[in-house]
Amino acid sequence: QVQLVQSGAEVKKPGASVKVSCRASGYTFTNYQMHWVRQAPGQGLQWVGIIRPGGVTQYAQRFQGRVTMTRDTSTSTVYMELRSLTSEDTAIYYCAREMDLDYWFDPWGQGTLVTVSS
Amino acid sequence: EIVLTQSPGTLSLSPGERATLSCRASQSVSSRYLVWYQQKPGQAPRLLIYAASSRATGIPDRFSGSGSGTDFTLTISRLEPEDFAVYYCQQYDNLEYIFGQGTKLEIK
Repeated sequence: QVQLVQSGAEVKKPGASVKVSCRASGYTFTNYQMHWVRQAPGQGLQWVGIIRPGGVTQYAQRFQGRVTMTRDTSTSTVYMELRSLTSEDTAIYYCAREMDLDYWFDPWGQGTLVTVSS
Repeated sequence: EIVLTQSPGTLSLSPGERATLSCRASQSVSSRYLVWYQQKPGQAPRLLIYAASSRATGIPDRFSGSGSGTDFTLTISRLEPEDFAVYYCQQYDNLEYIFGQGTKLEIK
């Protein structure tokens, strides 16, 4: 079955960077694009960006210059690196799959909690 | 940028009742882009409805979506205990994906 398995929780200091991974299985990795969505504690969902099958990326304006998404097709894994962390980046980060031009995300990874604290 | 406003913020109902959740866009959007998710505590969101009215695989037929233009609705015909959760609408606009703030459906 289709599965997205994310890396474990992270604790980072303000100003640091974090890199979260999402390993896909159960489908042809190169046929789908992957999104990253975050959710601050007790808050709603916020789109971070997308990495398309060809490796092209697109990021939400609020994260431009601070986020980089990459992928490794040999291991069916996508990565999201977020730099210059502040306490406002404390959130659960989810990866979620989309087939091109579907506009919906299914399934989602289990989430990775990133805590930014001094 | 389009803003999605969900109402009510919290909906208190009993099992067996009908739930109607609203998602209003600040300007007209394509129905093709309107999506609904369910999220339970401690879990990732789950796809319920895509393209405004199509049920995702495995979603019970008590869930239905409707609407067009700026007004969209998620209806749960008869609430089951497992339906009490937070529901989010989402749409695509100008190369970005936008979520509503969510409606919490709680047991009365």
